[in-house]
This record gives sequence, C-alpha cells and structure tokens, in this order.
Amino acid sequence: DTAVSQTPKYLVTQMGNDKSIKCEQNLGHDTMYWYKQDSKKFLKIMFSYNNKELIINETVPNRFSPKSPDKAHLNLHINSLELGDSAVYFCASSQRGGRETQYFGPGTRLLVL
Amino acid sequence: DQQVKQNSPSLSVQEGRISILNCDYTNSMFDYFLWYKKYPAEGPTFLISISSIKDKNEDGRFTVFLNKSAKHLSLHIVPSQPGDSAVYFCAANSGNTPLVFGKGTRLSVIA
Repeated sequence: DTAVSQTPKYLVTQMGNDKSIKCEQNLGHDTMYWYKQDSKKFLKIMFSYNNKELIINETVPNRFSPKSPDKAHLNLHINSLELGDSAVYFCASSQRGGRETQYFGPGTRLLVL
Repeated sequence: DQQVKQNSPSLSVQEGRISILNCDYTNSMFDYFLWYKKYPAEGPTFLISISSIKDKNEDGRFTVFLNKSAKHLSLHIVPSQPGDSAVYFCAANSGNTPLVFGKGTRLSVIA
C-alpha cells in the first residue's frame, strides 16, 4: 500500500484552464503539505494543513487553493493556469508539524502549454 | 534568497569509496537539519537528521556532521554503493517553521 499517493502523476494542459491534483495519505498523520519543485530544482513549501486547518500559507498566488475534506486528504486546485505553474508538485504528510519526518508522495508533473 | 545551499550539483564516486555531500546555510536560527534522498519519478525520502545540540549523527553507512560556527553540514556515505545513486537534498528549519530545502546534489556511484 502506498503511504502517500497523488493523482494524476502527469498533467498536461493549456494556459487558462483549471485543474486539480489529489493527495491521500494512509499513515494516520495529522499534518499534510504541498510543495512545488520548479525548473531550478528548489523544493518549496506552498501550504500546510493540520487536522484540516490551514497552518502555513507561503507566498503563493491565490489561484492556488488547497482543500482538505478530511485529515487524510489534501487536494490542490489551480485556477487560470499559467506557463510558470509548470513544475513538479509534491504532497507530503507527517505525524505532526515541526520536526516530524515528512513522507512524500511520488509527485505530479504539471506542464502548462 | 537561498537560505540552504548545495553548491555541487553533481558528484561521481567509485563504488566502495566515501561520498561526501556538502550543504551550507545562512539562517543562524536553524537548529534542525535533515537529508532526504530522491530517486527519479519518486518523492524524497527521509535519510538522516541532526539537531544543533550535536555535531555528529550516524546511522549505518550514513553519517551527518554539523559545524555550527561555519554554518555547514555534510553527509558521508561509506562505503558507497550503486543503489546510493540519487539526488540528495539538504533541509533545515527551526521550531515549527517550514523546512527549507537546498537544490539537491546528484550522486552517481560508479561500479
């Protein structure tokens, strides 16, 4: 069983479209995260949720909206996609925040044309 | 502003030799440091960590050294194995702040 899973693995879409990426963890963790790895290879935190509540929201355009229907799921919805949104998006989870080990999903490779 | 820097994008090492991956940081508030390993088409996986109260942490073939005065840490892998070939990310934080990652170093272990 995959601990942290993401769908889809690949996403190719046109500029201006709206798309969602789903994330699920079966580890019973309280905290979930979204990271973006851009073309320069930096892995940067976007959002963090603890028990369905938003606790970290880094400087991310408001076209990006995370949604946590329950503590096992954290989905990422992106409106009006732009070329610069092309990146690999990783979901992660940890028992709690802070120094707890984070477990990452396999990533979603988004390409905006 | 890169708070965590991995200045070597790649490193090649012979199987059986030591691999040394380096990481520098600028934020003196960081007090917890981690190394993650990433294979292609997979997410990063936790490898080893160290708190700022220590200067060394060892786990099997992997040892992390921390030099707080130089704001430098390194990951030693000995002996290196072909299965160690991956991208290694250094990360740091303080308290409950988000992890800050470096750009990664691609290690190739040549048989």
